[in-house]
Amino acid sequence: AQSVTQPDIHITVSEGASLELRCNYSYGATPYLFWYVQSPGQGLQLLLKYFSGDTLVQGIKGFEAEFKRSQSSFNLRKPSVHWSDAAEYFCAVGAYNQGGKLIFGQGTELSVKP
Amino acid sequence: AAGVIQSPRHLIKEKRETATLKCYPIPRHDTVYWYQQGPGQDPQFLISFYEKMQSDKGSIPDRFSAQQFSDYHSELNMSSLELGDSALYFCASSSQGAETQYFGPGTRLLVL
Repeated sequence: AQSVTQPDIHITVSEGASLELRCNYSYGATPYLFWYVQSPGQGLQLLLKYFSGDTLVQGIKGFEAEFKRSQSSFNLRKPSVHWSDAAEYFCAVGAYNQGGKLIFGQGTELSVKP
Repeated sequence: AAGVIQSPRHLIKEKRETATLKCYPIPRHDTVYWYQQGPGQDPQFLISFYEKMQSDKGSIPDRFSAQQFSDYHSELNMSSLELGDSALYFCASSSQGAETQYFGPGTRLLVL
């Protein structure tokens, strides 16, 4: 069955510290992957995406993610977190020739300490 | 840049009433997706359309129906509303052959 797992429901980091949010997927077809960010009561903003090629992808707001096929992972990283990064982060997976629907992980809520 | 537009942004209904949610995709996007996000939940795929035809169907209740019109906007019709239908409903759009979906701000539906 297709699934996306974000093992960490809630993470707290200090401002200026580095961040890594984990995402693992289980997908029968060749996947493409996204990270979206959602502020309270807001929509989903695309941070970055991976389709193929270079496994390290850069996104907006200083985020990057690395696709590791052997580990079925697509972890999101940021070297230095800002207070404005506090939000809910969703990993999502789709697959070619699968109708385009995205399967989302459960989300990771990020809190940033001053 | 133009984004996905959803209306209304907020909607309050009573049980057993009907609701219609509208989605206007990004210009030149021909594919629309609907997702439902319950409180504290991840978005769940409901249904999608490409060129006015249903392209995929997820966990959409039989009480819900949707369509895409000739101008590519889409409407999600919800009947016999239940308390459990209270959620944030997202519309996303993409262009065929491009897998990136861009999400609208959502419609927050509250069923009392």
